[in-house]
Amino acid sequence: ILNVEQSPQSLHVQEGDSTNFTCSFPSSNFYALHWYRWETAKSPEALFVMTLNGDEKKKGRISATLNTKEGYSYLYIKGSQPEDSATYLCAFHSGGGADGLTFGKGTHLIIQP
Amino acid sequence: KAGVTQTPRYLIKTRGQQVTLSCSPISGHRSVSWYQQTPGQGLQFLFEYFSETQRNKGNFPGRFSGRQFSNSRSEMNVSTLELGDSALYLCASSLYPGGRQEQYFGPGTRLTVT
Repeated sequence: ILNVEQSPQSLHVQEGDSTNFTCSFPSSNFYALHWYRWETAKSPEALFVMTLNGDEKKKGRISATLNTKEGYSYLYIKGSQPEDSATYLCAFHSGGGADGLTFGKGTHLIIQP
Repeated sequence: KAGVTQTPRYLIKTRGQQVTLSCSPISGHRSVSWYQQTPGQGLQFLFEYFSETQRNKGNFPGRFSGRQFSNSRSEMNVSTLELGDSALYLCASSLYPGGRQEQYFGPGTRLTVT
């Protein structure tokens, strides 16, 4: 059974501050790492799919890094805004005959005005 | 482009009944995956379909089954419902299967088993 851990479980951040959180995954049999944003009453929205060690991806104020050798990825949000409030999920895929994406339980981010 | 649609959005069933949920992927997407979301377990993979074939299945009992039609629409069926099957069921579509495609999620079907 694959173990994908996200920390912290929840996070309160002041508007305008920057923040980051972690996704840990198995360092063997890596194929892909996904990040999704899930806002209340909406569907999960894809942020990034990362496949190579050292990958850095950016979308607006959100960026992510990947270290497949040690099994972690960081998600960064610069200058947090209230609309960034959501649960951020990472998901690991080991390729081949893998059982689909294995999701972490998410980091629940609340931006306080 | 229309997003992923799921029907019905809400469903209440009784223990022992069966249920069928439907998912229509984004036009042109040929892969559909299903997930179960419960408060305690988070999002868990059920199965993935591509070209009407099940490619992968997660660790769920045989009561959970699915299929995909030639137009890429997919259905999942749960037979002999149990209280623990109460959950949000999400489907997601992508252009192709495998783990390197962004998945586009539908709004989900909220199933309550009483």
